[in-house]
Amino acid sequence: ETGVTQSPTHLIKTRGQQVTLRCSSQSGHNTVSWYQQALGQGPQFIFQYYREEENGRGNFPPRFSGLQFPNYSSELNVNALELDDSALYLCASSLFLGDNEQFFGPGTRLTVL
Amino acid sequence: DAKTTQPTSMDCAEGRAANLPCNHSTISGNEYVYWYRQIHSQGPQYIIHGLKNNETNEMASLIITEDRKSSTLILPHATLRDTAVYYCIVRGPLTDSWGKLQFGAGTQVVVTP
Repeated sequence: ETGVTQSPTHLIKTRGQQVTLRCSSQSGHNTVSWYQQALGQGPQFIFQYYREEENGRGNFPPRFSGLQFPNYSSELNVNALELDDSALYLCASSLFLGDNEQFFGPGTRLTVL
Repeated sequence: DAKTTQPTSMDCAEGRAANLPCNHSTISGNEYVYWYRQIHSQGPQYIIHGLKNNETNEMASLIITEDRKSSTLILPHATLRDTAVYYCIVRGPLTDSWGKLQFGAGTQVVVTP
C-alpha cells in the first residue's frame, strides 16, 4: 500500500509569484487536509477537502486555495507569495471524514525569497 | 490557540520508559486527547487517542486523569528511533472542528544511549 506522497520535495520562489503543491492521498482515502509548518513550530491547519469540496478552513487568507480531484489527489495553490509563506507544507489523508488517524506525507519545503 | 500545555523538551535513556505529560485543563466533555509525533524531516505520525479511559496499543499507552484535565503518554521501552517531537492535541467533534488537528509546539524528546 502506497503512503501519502507529495511533490515537489523542495521549491524556491520569489515574492509575488504563485505556487502549486501536489499531494497523492493514500489509496481509498476520501479526505485530505493541508497544514503549514513554520520552522520550529507545530503544523497549522489550512483547510480540508472531502469528496472534492472544501469542508473546513483555518485562519488563512483567500490566496491559499485548494482542489481535490475525483481520484482524491489534491493541490494547494498559493498566490502572491510572501516571505512569511516560507514553510513546510504537509498534506494528510484519512479514510473517511472524521477518521481518528490522519496519514501525513513528508511535506514540501517552500522557500520564498 | 492550542488547548494543551507540554514541556518544551525532555531526555530519556534508551530502554527506559518515557513518560510525557500534557495539561488540557479546559477540555470539554466531547473532546478527545490525541498524540502524534514527528521525527525529523518527516510528517507527523499518529500514536494513540482516548476520551476518558486509559488506552494501549503497540506503540504506547495513554493515561488520562479522572478529571480529564491532564494525560500522560508512556513509551514503555524507548529506543533511539523514538527521538522526535511529540504533540498532545485536543480534538473536538467533527461538527465543530471538521476533524482538524490543532498542534501546539510539542515536546522534543531525545532518547540517549
